[in-house]
Amino acid sequence: DTEVTQTPKHLVMGMTNKKSLKCEQHMGHRAMYWYKQKAKKPPELMFVYSYEKLSINESVPSRFSPECPNSSLLNLHLHALQPEDSALYLCASSQVSFGPAGVSYEQYFGPGTRLTVT
Amino acid sequence: SQQGEEDPQALSIQEGENATMNCSYKTSINNLQWYRQNSGRGLVHLILIRSNEREKHSGRLRVTLDTSKKSSSLLITASRAADTASYFCATDAGYSTLTFGKGTMLLVSP
Repeated sequence: DTEVTQTPKHLVMGMTNKKSLKCEQHMGHRAMYWYKQKAKKPPELMFVYSYEKLSINESVPSRFSPECPNSSLLNLHLHALQPEDSALYLCASSQVSFGPAGVSYEQYFGPGTRLTVT
Repeated sequence: SQQGEEDPQALSIQEGENATMNCSYKTSINNLQWYRQNSGRGLVHLILIRSNEREKHSGRLRVTLDTSKKSSSLLITASRAADTASYFCATDAGYSTLTFGKGTMLLVSP
């Protein structure tokens, strides 16, 4: 099974709402990622989890709160978002790399959650 | 921040023709990867080329890497309408944290 699933597919939320995005994979990957993609732009890395621990936070505002409850699940909790946060949120997973001299791996992406903040 | 820069930004060709996309980057890499994205959907990994490789093939795809020029190219041969998508290069310094280029939108007309 090489599938990464994301729910929901679409989400519309007001600026005062709290919502969560979910991502799941069963490939045994121990690295999981959140990306944000605006229309006609490339994906931008937000967070990286390695062995269920947050290893990279690309200076993302605190209104985005990631969580990795186990090796198969990744959540992104949303609170007090702004309209400019409307975007496609992509989850990905991969095997863990161990540095520039080591083996690197491709990432498997989910279909994304289309988020609209009103 | 984006490292890769794709060229051209958009490419329109007929079915059966070849499509070539180029990518330039700025810093040292462990590998470079190419991904395809159909409109508004997730990305699909196409091919990974390591910094010590110069050329790699996968089906109708051919990727080259020139680390001295910090550039890569993706060639799709005998294109099909189903190849219509956005194509992104992504550089990896070795920690599986990808930095994507701006992408090339490819349109293949029947």
